[in-house]
Amino acid sequence: AQRVTQPEKLLSVFKGAPVELKCNYSYSGSPELFWYVQYSRQRLQLLLRHISRESIKGFTADLNKGETSFHLKKPFAQEEDSAMYYCALDYTGTASKLTFGTGTRLQVTL
Amino acid sequence: KAGVTQTPRYLIKTRGQQVTLSCSPISGHRSVSWYQQTPGQGLQFLFEYFSETQRNKGNFPGRFSGRQFSNSRSEMNVSTLELGDSALYLCASTAGGPGELFFGEGSRLTVL
Repeated sequence: AQRVTQPEKLLSVFKGAPVELKCNYSYSGSPELFWYVQYSRQRLQLLLRHISRESIKGFTADLNKGETSFHLKKPFAQEEDSAMYYCALDYTGTASKLTFGTGTRLQVTL
Repeated sequence: KAGVTQTPRYLIKTRGQQVTLSCSPISGHRSVSWYQQTPGQGLQFLFEYFSETQRNKGNFPGRFSGRQFSNSRSEMNVSTLELGDSALYLCASTAGGPGELFFGEGSRLTVL
């Protein structure tokens, strides 16, 4: 069965420090991977998807099929990056039936 | 354009009762998915409806059911409520193909 693992419940970094939120998945096929983010008192929203290969708000994520990972990275953390981040996997191709990780809370402090 | 709207936002029920939650998707979106979010299990997929048909289903008991109307609005129903059904129920919509899921604010159900 497909599974998404986010090993860290909480990641605390200083402003300006690099950020790496880890995500590993288990699925034998070719999945589509996403990062969703939930800022305080806001809805869960898409941050980025691997097939877009773009940088959103300075964040990037590369799909590593060999390591089955999709880590989220940002070179310099900002206070406004503080939020809950969820890695998600889609194996149906519909983007509707997502398997989510348990989430990592990113806390950026001064 | 208006986002995904869920009603009610909060509700309290007692064990054994049933509950119906409603979701209005973004205009033009034909797919509606439902997720259960709890502190212990995180976000878990319940089911997805596309053009009034259930297209995908998660691993939840038959007490959890849903439907979609011709205007794409969706409802989910939970019968014979259990304490463990206390959760935030999120609805999300998409146009139907690969792409971004747009989430609602959720309906928080408390079962006493």
